Amino acid sequence: KAGVTQTPRYLIKTRGQQVTLSCSPISGHRSVSWYQQTPGQGLQFLFEYFSETQRNKGNFPGRFSGRQFSNSRSEMNVSTLELGDSALYLCASSLALASGGPSPSTDTQYFGPGTRLTVL
Amino acid sequence: SQQGEEDPQALSIQEGENATMNCSYKTSINNLQWYRQNSGRGLVHLILIRSNEREKHSGRLRVTLDTSKKSSSLLITASRAADTASYFCATWNQAGTALIFGKGTTLSVSS
Repeated sequence: KAGVTQTPRYLIKTRGQQVTLSCSPISGHRSVSWYQQTPGQGLQFLFEYFSETQRNKGNFPGRFSGRQFSNSRSEMNVSTLELGDSALYLCASSLALASGGPSPSTDTQYFGPGTRLTVL
Repeated sequence: SQQGEEDPQALSIQEGENATMNCSYKTSINNLQWYRQNSGRGLVHLILIRSNEREKHSGRLRVTLDTSKKSSSLLITASRAADTASYFCATWNQAGTALIFGKGTTLSVSS
């Protein structure tokens, strides 16, 4: 079974631009989460999608948004890029058999290789 | 805010030695997971230990969990150069919708 894939792997943008990152979860996985990783802040949760609905959002400004399609693929968008948005963006999927989404007692999140975004 | 905090932040050992990393967390948990990350790449899931388990093994990995002390440890036995990576512990947040990671332990194994 193929793992989580993310495209593109590397991206260079300039301040003020916007960017869209894509994530394809493991087949059959219904929950997709996004994380930002920086040297200073570490790994931080951005948001989570389940059945095309954003169910939870981390403490990030509204410039960060996302969506999920009917096939569970997900995109995240960052508008009006700032230098501080330079980071590794990681997508993770989990099975989420429970109707409410990921089951904390059993679910494992499987991560993609990430997209390295550099903002100049 | 970080739920898990790994200790030490960095660890350097020789091939063949054992490596032990510790993780402390703040709130009650259902399970705790350990991940490995090679040089800024994606996270690889290593092992999940449930709150009712005290110890779990997977190959050269041994994880312990002490819920009374809110701590976990990851032991890698007979380390190899390929084990060089950052190791993170993670727990689900209270709502069960996001993983909260520590800042990680950077392990360097030299041959």
